[in-house]
Amino acid sequence: AQRVTQPEKLLSVFKGAPVELKCNYSYSGSPELFWYVQYSRQRLQLLLRHISRESIKGFTADLNKGETSFHLKKPFAQEEDSAMYYCALSSGAGSYQLTFGKGTKLSVIP
Amino acid sequence: ETGVTQSPTHLIKTRGQQVTLRCSSQSGHNTVSWYQQALGQGPQFIFQYYREEENGRGNFPPRFSGLQFPNYSSELNVNALELDDSALYLCASSSHSSGRRNEQFFGPGTRLTVL
Repeated sequence: AQRVTQPEKLLSVFKGAPVELKCNYSYSGSPELFWYVQYSRQRLQLLLRHISRESIKGFTADLNKGETSFHLKKPFAQEEDSAMYYCALSSGAGSYQLTFGKGTKLSVIP
Repeated sequence: ETGVTQSPTHLIKTRGQQVTLRCSSQSGHNTVSWYQQALGQGPQFIFQYYREEENGRGNFPPRFSGLQFPNYSSELNVNALELDDSALYLCASSSHSSGRRNEQFFGPGTRLTVL
């Protein structure tokens, strides 16, 4: 069975401080990992995927297979980063269903 | 490019009733997935439809059923509603034939309240 754990329900940081949103997963195969973001009153949207190895809005995430982690990082938080962040896993085969964590609410204090 | 749309926005039903939720996929997408998001939880996969057939199902009872139409739009039907069915129901579309089939685009959701 696949599982995604986001240990922090809420994370508060000051503007300009570094941000790290934690995500751990359990899956026996080779998963694909994603970060989704939901800003206030907006729909859930894809932020980044590990395969792309992109930096989106200053955020990066590296897949660490040894530690089964996919933490989301940003060196300097901005107020507009305040949102709900969900880590998600896909088996990469079959229906490509997404298994989500419970989410972390990021609050950036001005 | 038209995004994923869902209707209705909100719905209130009573226990035992049946409900139908609707979703129109993003243009160019041929696959629709449905998720249930309870308060304070992440979305949970219900099932996916591709080529008008169910293509994967999560841990939901048979009273959750769906349809996909030739224009790729989809319906989620829930029979014999229970209080625990109260949640936000999300529809997501993707392109099964592209190299980014994992990339799912979400609709705004339908908020279902069961009294």
